Amino acid sequence: QTVVTQEPSFSVSPGGTVTLTCGLNSDSVSADYYPSWYQQTPGQAPRTLIYSTNTRSSGVPDRFSGSILGNKAALTITGAQAHDESDYYCLLYMGNGIWVFGGGTKLTVL
Amino acid sequence: EVQLVESGGGLVKPGGSLRLSCAASGFAFTYYVMNWVRQAPGKGLEWVSSISTTSSYIYYADSVKGRFTISRNNAKKSLYLQMNNLRAEDTAVYYCARSDSGDYFWGQGTMVTVSS
Repeated sequence: QTVVTQEPSFSVSPGGTVTLTCGLNSDSVSADYYPSWYQQTPGQAPRTLIYSTNTRSSGVPDRFSGSILGNKAALTITGAQAHDESDYYCLLYMGNGIWVFGGGTKLTVL
Repeated sequence: EVQLVESGGGLVKPGGSLRLSCAASGFAFTYYVMNWVRQAPGKGLEWVSSISTTSSYIYYADSVKGRFTISRNNAKKSLYLQMNNLRAEDTAVYYCARSDSGDYFWGQGTMVTVSS
């Protein structure tokens, strides 16, 4: 069974830089998986940050960037701000029309 | 303004059925792949189903295959999810989302509760 892995939690200091990762239990993540990243605050719908590895969605500040680091997809937030405190989810395309979300990372800014 | 508005959620008994709808506005609905994504209370996001622009290609997560049916009406700019044989584990907020290579635009969701 395919499992998309993310760090359950992470913390960053205000103004700091943090990199969240998205891996696979059975393979290395590459651009072929079209990794995407979403931000969600409690009680709200998710918001797309990054798609197709490193393309920012409309209106997303350039503090957010996506990449492939080693065998994982990565979301880097630079100059972390208090309102970046959210849950972050990655999504990978498995082929044959199937997409799988990671379990999410709860980011704390303190 | 791009909008996706879900409706049809509610309380249903195990084994029951429910039909969700999603009304789209502010964009060319016909040209977008549409999706349903759900989120159980306190849990993460789960991709449920996708449908291509002309309904030629339809895909489901294993967890709902054989029980859920996705469909769309391009003339009415609407997306649907027929959910049959519902289980307690289907309890979730169901989001309608348009997608373009993973660039999702999300609705606000509709809550489905499966309980006796």
